[in-house]
Amino acid sequence: GNSVTQMEGPVTLSEEAFLTINCTYTATGYPSLFWYVQYPGEGLQLLLKATKADDKGSNKGFEATYRKETTSFHLEKGSVQVSDSAVYFCALSERETNAGKSTFGDGTTLTVKP
Amino acid sequence: DGGITQSPKYLFRKEGQNVTLSCEQNLNHDAMYWYRQDPGQGLRLIYYSQIVNDFQKGDIAEGYSVSREKKESFPLTVTSAQKNPTAFYLCASSLTTSKIETQYFGPGTRLLVL
Repeated sequence: GNSVTQMEGPVTLSEEAFLTINCTYTATGYPSLFWYVQYPGEGLQLLLKATKADDKGSNKGFEATYRKETTSFHLEKGSVQVSDSAVYFCALSERETNAGKSTFGDGTTLTVKP
Repeated sequence: DGGITQSPKYLFRKEGQNVTLSCEQNLNHDAMYWYRQDPGQGLRLIYYSQIVNDFQKGDIAEGYSVSREKKESFPLTVTSAQKNPTAFYLCASSLTTSKIETQYFGPGTRLLVL
């Protein structure tokens, strides 16, 4: 079956530090890959996505590249801010072969200190 | 503004009681989903619906039931058969179940057992 493995947290960084959150996946087909962000007490919001190999998703200074050869979709940001503190979820969707189901990682909690 | 609303924000259940969580969307999306989130864990799929009057079980459907009588509404009932219902419940929708589609999440309902 499908699975997503994320870097374990929590991750604590100082403001303006470089961020990497690792994500690797296992899928039977050719999935789309997503990063969602969740702020305390709220639902998830899409941060970025990539639908085919070598695609780079980007938004709000965050980037992730779909690497089929290493089955990875690592999230990066060059300079984090306090407002980036949240839980980040990597997810895959392969609905053509697994209709309706997305698979989520366990989430990585990021805290950015001033 | 289009979006997904969930109510109530907090819900308390007594032993042996069924409770219903509301989910409404005005995005004109065909597909809707219910997820359960436990502390420090990812999202697990309870039920999903690809179209009105149709729904399928997800990975943890036991003790839950749903209906999809209208396109915009997908209520979830937590029955007394669900022995460990305390969790954060998230409703989501997407335009279709295509793997490239983003899921849009509601703000969540936190269910607590008295």
